[in-house]
Amino acid sequence: GAVVSQHPSWVICKSGTSVKIECRSLDFQATTMFWYRQFPKQSLMLMATSNEGSKATYEQGVEKDKFLINHASLTLSTLTVTSAHPEDSSFYICSARGTGQQETQYFGPGTRLLVL
Amino acid sequence: SQKIEQNSEALNIQEGKTATLTCNYTNYSPAYLQWYRQDPGRGPVFLLLIRENEKEKRKERLKVTFDTTLKQSLFHITASQPADSATYLCALEGSSYKLIFGSGTRLLVRP
Repeated sequence: GAVVSQHPSWVICKSGTSVKIECRSLDFQATTMFWYRQFPKQSLMLMATSNEGSKATYEQGVEKDKFLINHASLTLSTLTVTSAHPEDSSFYICSARGTGQQETQYFGPGTRLLVL
Repeated sequence: SQKIEQNSEALNIQEGKTATLTCNYTNYSPAYLQWYRQDPGRGPVFLLLIRENEKEKRKERLKVTFDTTLKQSLFHITASQPADSATYLCALEGSSYKLIFGSGTRLLVRP
C-alpha cells in the first residue's frame, strides 16, 4: 500500500518551455501533497505544500508564478515549471500524506528535469 | 536557526557488521523524527518514525533511538548486507506536518 507515482520520470526540454509533472497517490487518498527539489549530493528542499481544493503554500524563496501547483483531486497534484531555464534543472520529488498516518509522507520516484 | 546535521562522509563497513548513523539537531524540539532510505535517482522510502516520548524503536534489523536531551537520533542496521548500501536521511517534523531533511549519510556495505 501507500504507492505514489510520478510522471514523467525524466524530461529534457528547451529553455523557455513549460514542463508539467504529475504526482498521483495510487491506493490512498492524499489530502496533502508536498513538492521537493533535490540538487546533486544535497538534501530534499521543500518547495510547496499542496492541499486538495485550495491554493498551494510556497516556501520562502520559491516563486509561485514560476512553479504552478494544482491539486485538483485527492489523488492528483501537478507541478508546472513555467518558462524553464537551465538553473531549474533538478530532481523534483513529490510526496503524499494520507488521512490515516498523518506524520508519514510517501514519496514518488522523482522526475529528473534537464533544461537545455 | 534550525539545523539538522548528518555525517556527510560515507560510512564504509564490512558485511555482517552493525552500521550506526547519527542525526543531530539544534534550535529545535520536534515531536517526532523519521528516517528514510534513498537510492540514487529515486525518491526516499520511509523506514521508521520515533516520537519524542519514545527512546527506542525497532523494525526487523533496524533500530532507532531518540535522545531529546542530547538532541540526537541514532540509526542502527544490524547484520548489514550489501543491499543496505544507500543514502539514509533523517527528517524532523516541522509545522503543518512538513518535514525538514538532513543532508543524508551514504552507507556502503562491502561484501
